[in-house]
Amino acid sequence: EAGVVQSPRYKIIEKKQPVAFWCNPISGHNTLYWYLQNLGQGPELLIRYENEEAVDDSQLPKDRFSAERLKGVDSTLKIQPAELGDSAVYLCASSLEIGAGEQFFGPGTRLTVL
Amino acid sequence: QKEVEQNSGPLSVPEGAIASLNCTYSDRGSQSFFWYRQYSGKSPELIMFIYSNGDKEDGRFTAQLNKASQYVSLLIRDSQPSDSATYLCAVNYGGSQGNLIFGKGTKLSVKP
Repeated sequence: EAGVVQSPRYKIIEKKQPVAFWCNPISGHNTLYWYLQNLGQGPELLIRYENEEAVDDSQLPKDRFSAERLKGVDSTLKIQPAELGDSAVYLCASSLEIGAGEQFFGPGTRLTVL
Repeated sequence: QKEVEQNSGPLSVPEGAIASLNCTYSDRGSQSFFWYRQYSGKSPELIMFIYSNGDKEDGRFTAQLNKASQYVSLLIRDSQPSDSATYLCAVNYGGSQGNLIFGKGTKLSVKP
């Protein structure tokens, strides 16, 4: 069974530029999560999808961050414009059950904003 | 604000010893508890979960939960150098509608 797929794995951009991350969850997993992880910290939830519906986006900085999950499968997270403080690892995870703690993480995208 | 607290370490133990990792949480309404392992430069992977008070064993790993004291711990018996990683404690505060709150993680180093 294939795991959670994310791309790109690494991204370096200048501040104020846009950037997008893509995630394909495990087949059959209806719940998809985007997390942000800073060095030395645990993952912090940005948004959670149940199928194509964003059921919790309370921690998503909506002035610059947006996300979509068309057709309830793969998802895209976008930042526009990026700021220096956005440098972090962006993790995508999926789970079989709604609100489950048994989440499966992708390899992450390491973003560096210069 | 719901919090999950862990000692950041590093915790250093000799090979073959028992490593004990601890975690406390702030909300008594928490229902489920998870331990994730994260190797350097990799993503977290689930190793244990526990829902009820008491102990739960899986191979060399034992998770312990004490809801009255609001702490959860992870014991690793016969520690191996390959166990060297950061261990993240995560708490689900809202059941089926809740999300995971992760601690900062404890870095474990097992010395040969």
